[in-house]
Amino acid sequence: GAVVSQHPSWVICKSGTSVKIECRSLDFQATTMFWYRQFPKQSLMLMATSNEGSKATYEQGVEKDKFLINHASLTLSTLTVTSAHPEDSSFYICSASRWDRVGEQFFGPGTRLTVL
Amino acid sequence: DAKTTQPTSMDCAEGRAANLPCNHSTISGNEYVYWYRQIHSQGPQYIIHGLKNNETNEMASLIITEDRKSSTLILPHATLRDTAVYYCIVRVVYNNNDMRFGAGTRLTVKP
Repeated sequence: GAVVSQHPSWVICKSGTSVKIECRSLDFQATTMFWYRQFPKQSLMLMATSNEGSKATYEQGVEKDKFLINHASLTLSTLTVTSAHPEDSSFYICSASRWDRVGEQFFGPGTRLTVL
Repeated sequence: DAKTTQPTSMDCAEGRAANLPCNHSTISGNEYVYWYRQIHSQGPQYIIHGLKNNETNEMASLIITEDRKSSTLILPHATLRDTAVYYCIVRVVYNNNDMRFGAGTRLTVKP
């Protein structure tokens, strides 16, 4: 158990458009979900922490109006990149934690965003 | 969370043991050592974690020094599919806390 999926696995969009990425916990209820961004040949950088039903907590330097996070249920969190630009092209990864597996995080497969 | 230091890259021959070191000299008494790996263009995969005792599972062994200032992840019989970036993360464990990744070690298993 503890499978996390992301959709889409890759997306190409035009500059100025918005893109929504979904993160789902398939076989458990996620108490908290996390969003990371990874540029080529770099490590994962935490963008925000999201709890169901409350506003996300963003890391310093991450624009909350540009990266909209909605965590409407215990199994779904979405990240919307608004007015995307080429510099937003990156690998976006989500993870989830569950109350009965304290300390563990379960990662999704990632979504590759390319903005033209 | 304590900072970790890992070599940038390592090579290992297929079938041999891969020993990946991690230095965490400022680790606190309540911080755990976690190891994850990331195969190219995939999400990170959990490997193992421990507090102070050595740990072993079906994937790897974790050896933590007595003073807890460093640890070694051991892949006993490396295969080509073990080629990945390996991250050593030190963190306090409580419900819903985040995980911060350093640069990791890029392990290349060669035939």
